[in-house]
Amino acid sequence: GQNIDQPTEMTATEGAIVQINCTYQTSGFNGLFWYQQHAGEAPTFLSYNVLDGLEEKGRFSSFLSRSKGYSYLLLKELQMKDSASYLCAVMDSNYQLIWGAGTKLIIKP
Amino acid sequence: IAGITQAPTSQILAAGRRMTLRCTQDMRHNAMYWYRQDLGLGLRLIHYSNTAGTTGKGEVPDGYSVSRANTDDFPLTLASAVPSQTSVYFCASSDSQGANEQFFGPGTRLTVL
Repeated sequence: GQNIDQPTEMTATEGAIVQINCTYQTSGFNGLFWYQQHAGEAPTFLSYNVLDGLEEKGRFSSFLSRSKGYSYLLLKELQMKDSASYLCAVMDSNYQLIWGAGTKLIIKP
Repeated sequence: IAGITQAPTSQILAAGRRMTLRCTQDMRHNAMYWYRQDLGLGLRLIHYSNTAGTTGKGEVPDGYSVSRANTDDFPLTLASAVPSQTSVYFCASSDSQGANEQFFGPGTRLTVL
């Protein structure tokens, strides 16, 4: 079966760095996505990785290792507005997104 | 309108009733999707459409139907609602199947009693 695993909840301090991990087992691979979802709102796109390595976009970076079925999202210089759920998703061989349950990130002052 | 809209924002429905959730996008995207989001679970694909006039089944299609008469609209119908269909429903669109970003509507919170 297809499976995306990520921690349920993480806590970090304002100004710090946090890494959210995601492991996956899917039927085929056509890219890995990270989305941010604030409570009561729609998911919004953060990043896309299809090749191994690190993609940096401002305070957010995303890493992919296809051989290990592993990705992480790195958030630097945390701000209170970063409190949200972070969703990992993999596009399978049918070009459909398979979603993890999301990691709720709590930022403390 | 700009982006993707959904209606209604929320709805309480008696079991057995028919309900249509509306979704409209103005980005001229070819592909559209319906997901449901339940606590503790990832988003699950209900139905999708890669282009106007075509639809396909996702992971959890039972009890739902869709149509895609034109590029902009992608309504989701529950023919006879059941309590297990209580969920938050998100419509999304992308430029094409497999595009590297899906844009989401604000969601519809549906409660079936």
